Amino acid sequence: NAGVTQTPKFQVLKTGQSMTLQCAQDMNHEYMSWYRQDPGMGLRLIHYSVGAGITDQGEVPNGYNVSRSTTEDFPLRLLSAAPSQTSVYFCASSYIRGIQAGANVLTFGAGSRLTVL
Amino acid sequence: AQTVTQSQPEMSVQEAETVTLSCTYDTSESDYYLFWYKQPPSRQMILVIRQEAYKQQNATENRFSVNFQKAAKSFSLKISDSQLGDAAMYFCAYRSAIDLQGGSEKLVFGKGTKLTVNP
Repeated sequence: NAGVTQTPKFQVLKTGQSMTLQCAQDMNHEYMSWYRQDPGMGLRLIHYSVGAGITDQGEVPNGYNVSRSTTEDFPLRLLSAAPSQTSVYFCASSYIRGIQAGANVLTFGAGSRLTVL
Repeated sequence: AQTVTQSQPEMSVQEAETVTLSCTYDTSESDYYLFWYKQPPSRQMILVIRQEAYKQQNATENRFSVNFQKAAKSFSLKISDSQLGDAAMYFCAYRSAIDLQGGSEKLVFGKGTKLTVNP
């Protein structure tokens, strides 16, 4: 059981380049999300999805795109990278259904460190 | 919008001693969930403990326990018999039950407290 797998773990980009951070989970979780972590800022929600074909914006969505074509995958796209997007990115997933759905715990990936020069 | 405040950017504790990390939150909702996550240098986010707001009893997990004061909107984490492996960033997080019913599992995080454990 791999849990939540993020790739790549490290990436260096130049300003204006595009790239995709990959996230895959093998737990059949309905909910998937992307957070960014910056020093002194905690984790902030970028985008999330409650199922295939359904996505929505979080707190800091500008500069990022997402899609959810399958239950397992939730890639995060940077269309034109900027230095302000230098951060550590976390993908997290969980169940939504269940008797005690509110107690469902987010499972996090190991994080992807992105540097934009 | 809900906010979570961790007023202690850094804390330190001697090995085998007890330490308490503070967390306060602001919400107008009556039903919600609170979490403490640990992030060691490996960067992995690990759930430490969770609390349902409708439960009066404070949650405990081995050496970790919380002091949940709903009226004061306070959710502190107590670590007893601190161990070197407890050294990490600790994040307090809030999740609305209302968002949950709408299908969202959004967590709102505090800015974190860095805990150092001295041998």
